[in-house]
Amino acid sequence: EDQVTQSPEALRLQEGESSSLNCSYTVSGLRGLFWYRQDPGKGPEFLFTLYSAGEEKEKERLKATLTKKESFLHITAPKPEDSATYLCAVGGLDDYKLSFGAGTTVTVRA
Amino acid sequence: GAVVSQHPSRVICKSGTSVKIECRSLDFQATTMFWYRQFPKQSLMLMATSNEGSKATYEQGVEKDKFLINHASLTLSTLTVTSAHPEDSSFYICSARGAGDEHGYTFGSGTRLTVV
Repeated sequence: EDQVTQSPEALRLQEGESSSLNCSYTVSGLRGLFWYRQDPGKGPEFLFTLYSAGEEKEKERLKATLTKKESFLHITAPKPEDSATYLCAVGGLDDYKLSFGAGTTVTVRA
Repeated sequence: GAVVSQHPSRVICKSGTSVKIECRSLDFQATTMFWYRQFPKQSLMLMATSNEGSKATYEQGVEKDKFLINHASLTLSTLTVTSAHPEDSSFYICSARGAGDEHGYTFGSGTRLTVV
C-alpha cells in the first residue's frame, strides 16, 4: 500500500523567511509525485508533477525536488499570499489513484 | 488550462433525503474521475474511482449503496448521497484525469454538505 507522510504539520513563517516542506513516500513503483496547494474551503490546485529522482521543477517562489524516498517543496522568500495547505500525493504504476499526505499548513506573516 | 466545475458548492439537507453532486470537466475529456471526502484539517480520503460507461470502483469501507456514482459521459460524473445522515456531513471533492500526468489531476472546488 502506498504511503505518504508530510512534515511538519504546520509552519509559521515571517515574510521573506525561506523554508522547506518534506514529503516522505513509499510506493512499489512511482508513476509520479504530485504537489498541490489547497486554500480553505476550496479544491486543491495543481503545482507540480515529478517523475524520477533528481528531477526539479520551479514555479515563482516554489521549487520541488525529488529523491527515491522523499520530495521537498522549497518556498523562497515567501509572501502572505503563499499561505495555504500544501499537499503531496503519489501515484503508483498499478492504477491511476493518488495517495495523499495529510498536508502542511503554511502561514506567512507580513 | 483544464477546468472542473463542481456543483453545488454548498448544500444543506434534511436527514433521510438524498443529495446529488455534479462534477463536469469543461474543456477536456476526463477518462477517469475520482471522488474524495475531506474532514476538517485532514487530508483527502478517496471514496471511489469512476471510468466513463463502467461501474465505479469503491474504496474499502465506502458503502456503494449509500454513495451512488454515475459517470455517464467523458465530461460528467455525479455523486448521490442517499438517505443522508448527520455523519455524512463533510466536504466532498471530485477530480478528473485527462490524457496524462504532466498537468496533474484537476480538482473541482468542492461541495460542503451539511445534513440536519
